[in-house]
Amino acid sequence: DAKTTQPPSMDCAEGRAANLPCNHSTISGNEYVYWYRQIHSQGPQYIIHGLKNNETNEMASLIITEDRKSSTLILPHATLRDTAVYYCIVRLLSYSTLTFGKGTMLLVSP
Amino acid sequence: NAGVMQNPRHLVRRRGQEARLRCSPMKGHSHVYWYRQLPEEGLKFMVYLQKENIIDESGMPKERFSAEFPKEGPSILRIQQVVRGDSAAYFCASSPENYEQYFGPGTRLTVT
Repeated sequence: DAKTTQPPSMDCAEGRAANLPCNHSTISGNEYVYWYRQIHSQGPQYIIHGLKNNETNEMASLIITEDRKSSTLILPHATLRDTAVYYCIVRLLSYSTLTFGKGTMLLVSP
Repeated sequence: NAGVMQNPRHLVRRRGQEARLRCSPMKGHSHVYWYRQLPEEGLKFMVYLQKENIIDESGMPKERFSAEFPKEGPSILRIQQVVRGDSAAYFCASSPENYEQYFGPGTRLTVT
């Protein structure tokens, strides 16, 4: 799996958009970008994934640059419950394991 | 559709005892994964199973740890002769095919 680089922490005001960046400059053509989050002491939660097109679901949007070397996870209206560690993971669709790095600790404040 | 279920949620064992952690995947999911999260560390892959088969155990310690996913019943992660270093949160995930994985709430093992 390609390595990813994320900032260790970010702050966001409640109600504002949270934009979490991820660098994956060594990503290969058939590797997907996945995002998970882990709210304190809970199991990781799948958020979204994509290959090269931007993706949106009920939780978030994923913007992948044209060269695919970086991506941004967008939480459009952050709430206090979005406070969590967010993990950006690149993997082959058919690959079995998820390799978690240190992630970004997002703190949403009132 | 119930999510991934793990039990017990908390398990306390004395050094040298055995720990059995159970995972029931989501309905319709035939792939199960186990991950371990040591205190203040990230999640590490341990083992990937399909029904009655171990597909990838590259993250599993060679001794004392074993996993199974029988034809009927939950997946079991078994740790024999536990030591203090086994204290961690153990998470199970399942998927319908080998795509996005859905995690359970975890079992917190404390070895005293």
